[in-house]
Amino acid sequence: KNEVEQSPQNLTAQEGEFITINCSYSVGISALHWLQQHPGGGIVSLFMLSSGKKKHGRLIATINIQEKHSSLHITASHPRDSAVYICAARPNTGNQFYFGTGTSLTVIP
Amino acid sequence: GAVVSQHPSWVICKSGTSVKIECRSLDFQATTMFWYRQFPKQSLMLMATSNEGSKATYEQGVEKDKFLINHASLTLSTLTVTSAHPEDSSFYICSAQRGFYEQYFGPGTRLTVT
Repeated sequence: KNEVEQSPQNLTAQEGEFITINCSYSVGISALHWLQQHPGGGIVSLFMLSSGKKKHGRLIATINIQEKHSSLHITASHPRDSAVYICAARPNTGNQFYFGTGTSLTVIP
Repeated sequence: GAVVSQHPSWVICKSGTSVKIECRSLDFQATTMFWYRQFPKQSLMLMATSNEGSKATYEQGVEKDKFLINHASLTLSTLTVTSAHPEDSSFYICSAQRGFYEQYFGPGTRLTVT
């Protein structure tokens, strides 16, 4: 059983659509990260959350600690948003992250 | 936000040679850095935890003599893949910890061993 589950695994959207990627985790955490990985492999840290909501441009990340759930939203999606989005949970104890398997997003023009 | 860099971003080496990958925290000091490995279409897997001034802690199944980690300063950790083999070809990612729980990921290094 994975400590972090992401859904959907794959997502195809039309340009302009509102996108939601979900992440559920089963352990108590001190922080949750959303990462973006482009086809070439490079990783970009999008958000680090411990509570509430953060917004950066067209990206919004929310977390509900009680429900052990986080969502990443992309408004007005664009083909350049096409990437794999990874949820990573930092448990309360220890340094190791639990990583989701990623959501592969393709935005079609 | 905090920035973590890795160098090189990609490297090709011949089988049997050694390759060094650098991880730097550019605008903060990191007492702890982490090295991950990612196989194609798989998630990141923690290889080792690197603490400044002390020996790295390796995860089970990771050969410490093959993957040498040095954390010589508060802003630099290096991963050296010794006597590289084609099966070592992978994407290597570091992250640096600031404070208690803030972690920032590097962009990754793609290693290809021919």
